[in-house]
Amino acid sequence: SQQGEEDPQALSIQEGENATMNCSYKTSINNLQWYRQNSGRGLVHLILIRSNEREKHSGRLRVTLDTSKKSSSLLITASRAADTASYFCATDGRMRDSNYQLIWGAGTKLIIKP
Amino acid sequence: EPEVTQTPSHQVTQMGQEVILRCVPISNHLYFYWYRQILGQKVEFLVSFYNNEISEKSEIFDDQFSVERPDGSNFTLKIRSTKLEDSAMYFCASSEKGPPYGYTFGSGTRLTVV
Repeated sequence: SQQGEEDPQALSIQEGENATMNCSYKTSINNLQWYRQNSGRGLVHLILIRSNEREKHSGRLRVTLDTSKKSSSLLITASRAADTASYFCATDGRMRDSNYQLIWGAGTKLIIKP
Repeated sequence: EPEVTQTPSHQVTQMGQEVILRCVPISNHLYFYWYRQILGQKVEFLVSFYNNEISEKSEIFDDQFSVERPDGSNFTLKIRSTKLEDSAMYFCASSEKGPPYGYTFGSGTRLTVV
């Protein structure tokens, strides 16, 4: 089964608007993390939310977690051209006997139009 | 802010050759990981390493792959007899406390097998 599926797959908005990306997962988790990746570049950790947290903020980022629905959302407010990137969610929890791996979604490609 | 450093940033190698990808984790971190991302695809877990031994490995991490911590600072991934399908971005990550805490990723090594 797949873990950490983001939607939408692609999102194109005007600069200044808010961008919301969603992530769903299937198994129980310890935490959920969001990462950004500029085209062909490294993974930049944005925010980690633990399973007992419901909302977390970091600058223009707001992450929510609903463990009953096994879903999370990442909101970027007042978007900027520099926010153009792919955004991934990754869950860190038990899958079968796994305890040590992050399971990644396919990512949302965000394009901010100037 | 402490960083995970990966070298080289880009490696081109001929099919059948061996490559060693190098990583310097954050100095007080105890858990080390390798992930890879084939172009346009999800990030995939390869292996985790703790206390000088492999904690877990994925199906991808077969006998072609090996990891080593040759000294107190480096963490290497060796790929023997490279194949075209090994072309990918390889990410090293480290964590101070392991799950369920966060990870720090390096900026990756782009491996191109020709």
